[in-house]
Amino acid sequence: DIVMTQSPDSLVVSLGERATINCKSSQSLLYSSSDKPYLAWYQQKPGQPPKLLIYWASTRKSGVPDRFSGSGSGTDFTLTISSLQAEDVAVYYCQQYHSTPLTFGPGTKVDIK
Amino acid sequence: QVQLQQSGPGLVKPSQTLSLSCAISGDSVSNNIASWDWIRQSPSRGLEWLGRAYYTSKWYIDYAVSVKSRITINPDTSKNQFSLQLSYVTLEDTAVYYCARGETGDFRRGMDVWGQGTTVTVSS
Repeated sequence: DIVMTQSPDSLVVSLGERATINCKSSQSLLYSSSDKPYLAWYQQKPGQPPKLLIYWASTRKSGVPDRFSGSGSGTDFTLTISSLQAEDVAVYYCQQYHSTPLTFGPGTKVDIK
Repeated sequence: QVQLQQSGPGLVKPSQTLSLSCAISGDSVSNNIASWDWIRQSPSRGLEWLGRAYYTSKWYIDYAVSVKSRITINPDTSKNQFSLQLSYVTLEDTAVYYCARGETGDFRRGMDVWGQGTTVTVSS
């Protein structure tokens, strides 16, 4: 199984400041047939299901604000919120969908200072 | 707009079978680039993928090894839905269960539609 780790566990950031979350996979997530990294980022607010923000490590899903960006390749990935807004308070998860079993990171909780 | 609507009991007795359904609107369970997944979430296990069903010329079903001996995912084309059955449940199966739509193929993009979640408690 591909193991996903995230850091930090939690993050407290001032409104308007940058938040950076790291994700690491135990194997490369680059899919040879498509040359795409199969890494997604999700946002989950209390009482709600996870919401897909980014796929292929860096492609924002339609409708996701451009303050959210993803980067990385191979086994190391980053989610950046460039200017934190109050509505961004949530837990963020990375997920690999390169191979089954699909696996998620443990999550990073983002809060406002 | 694709929506997934979950249904099923929120309380199951130990050793019995957990049964949930996920009704699909705006898409077809036979869509040959979609997968229909079940995921659960608990404080102890986090987000745990349980399995999926998908159709590409024929039906394929994948299960997580951790539940493989107890799980059945069944697509129902007549009702355009898919279901989860988990047998011989224990307290460890207490979790919020989600259905979700993923994708198959070389350009898949993660799980873009989720059900609302069902809190399932295993208790006598």
